Amino acid sequence: DAKTTQPTSMDCAEGRAANLPCNHSTISGNEYVYWYRQIHSQGPQYIIHGLKNNETNEMASLIITEDRKSSTLILPHATLRDTAVYYCIVAGANNLFFGTGTRLTVIP
Amino acid sequence: DVKVTQSSRYLVKRTGEKVFLECVQDMDHENMFWYRQDPGLGLRLIYFSYDVKMKEKGDIPEGYSVSREKKERFSLILESASTNQTSMYLCASSLSTGGTQPQHFGDGTRLSIL
Repeated sequence: DAKTTQPTSMDCAEGRAANLPCNHSTISGNEYVYWYRQIHSQGPQYIIHGLKNNETNEMASLIITEDRKSSTLILPHATLRDTAVYYCIVAGANNLFFGTGTRLTVIP
Repeated sequence: DVKVTQSSRYLVKRTGEKVFLECVQDMDHENMFWYRQDPGLGLRLIYFSYDVKMKEKGDIPEGYSVSREKKERFSLILESASTNQTSMYLCASSLSTGGTQPQHFGDGTRLSIL
């Protein structure tokens, strides 16, 4: 499975959009991009995933570049409850390599 | 919503004990997984199962075994617990293989081996 690169930490003001970047330059054609988040002492929570096209659900939007080498997770209106570690994962098989993720802190 | 339930949130056991961690999912998912999560190391796959009575080794299977007698239940067994198995253990399930469907996680079991 391809590995990903994410910033270690980010801050975002409450009510503003949070844009979390991820680089996955070695992604192969059949591998999906997944985003999960983990709030302290809880299991990872699935957010969204995509292959080539941009995706949107009730939680977030996923923007994947045309060459698929990077993506951005967008939380449109961040709340304090969105404070968590966000993991970008590339998965083509059963194993999910979580890495260390981005610690997002939403500031009041 | 998918519900993955792990039997214990916190567990304390002694070195040499046989330890059972239980996981149940309610969505009729084919695949189930056991991970451990340690600071600085992320999640590491221990074992997974793609069908009843089937199992596959993950990245770090040593010291562990698994059992899947029913589709909804996947058990992780520490045959003889050691202190280096102190960790957060996470169970997950997914509808299909190949990365096309997300894995859904339980809230984890924080296991301490004394």
